[in-house]
Amino acid sequence: DGGITQSPKYLFRKEGQNVTLSCEQNLNHDAMYWYRQDPGQGLRLIYYSQIVNDFQKGDIAEGYSVSREKKESFPLTVTSAQKNPTAFYLCASSITAGGDTQYFGPGTRLTVL
Amino acid sequence: AQRVTQPEKLLSVFKGAPVELKCNYSYSGSPELFWYVQYSRQRLQLLLRHISRESIKGFTADLNKGETSFHLKKPFAQEEDSAMYYCALTETSGSRLTFGEGTQLTVNP
Repeated sequence: DGGITQSPKYLFRKEGQNVTLSCEQNLNHDAMYWYRQDPGQGLRLIYYSQIVNDFQKGDIAEGYSVSREKKESFPLTVTSAQKNPTAFYLCASSITAGGDTQYFGPGTRLTVL
Repeated sequence: AQRVTQPEKLLSVFKGAPVELKCNYSYSGSPELFWYVQYSRQRLQLLLRHISRESIKGFTADLNKGETSFHLKKPFAQEEDSAMYYCALTETSGSRLTFGEGTQLTVNP
C-alpha cells in the first residue's frame, strides 16, 4: 500500500453542498482516474487525466468536476447537481493511460444526508 | 462501444473445488483484457493480464477471441481466494479501462 492516497476515508455532506475528494500519488504516474463503485454496477469511470493540465469525461461525468494542476494531485468535486452522490469513490493512477496497470487508492465513502 | 459483462454477481464454491469466473466482452478491435481483485479490507489490485500469460496465485485466464471471453480459472480454490473480482478491457493503445460489474467469490471451508 501507499503511493496513492485518498482523503478523507468517510465524508458526510448535506444536500445542496459541493464537496471535494482528495487524491494524491507519489508514483510519478502521468495518468489518473476517478471511479464510482456501487453494488452490482462495478466501477464506472467519472473522469480521467492522461497528463497534467488535461482531463476527459468518463461515462458518468454529470454532476462532477475535476482539475489536474499538478502531476501528483487529481481532486474530484461532487457538486449539488449530482443527483445520487452517495457512493464509494476510488481514485487510481497508472504510468500512462490505457493498458498500464492501474494502482488504486483506499477509497472515500461519501454519504449525503 | 466496448462493454464487459460478468454474468455471475455471486459465486460460491467449496475449498478444493475448481472455480471459473466468467467474463465476456464486446469490442470490434484488438482488446487487452485484465482481471482485478479486491480482497476484504484491501485495495483493488491487478491480478493478471492476458498479454503476460502468467499464472498468479494459481489463477489463469485465456483470451478466446472467437467467443469474446476471458474467463478466470483456478483448479483448486482456497478460502483466501474469497474476494470481489472484476474483469476489465482496454483497446490496444487506448486511454481507459472499462470494467465489468464484478463477481463476488466465496470459497467455503
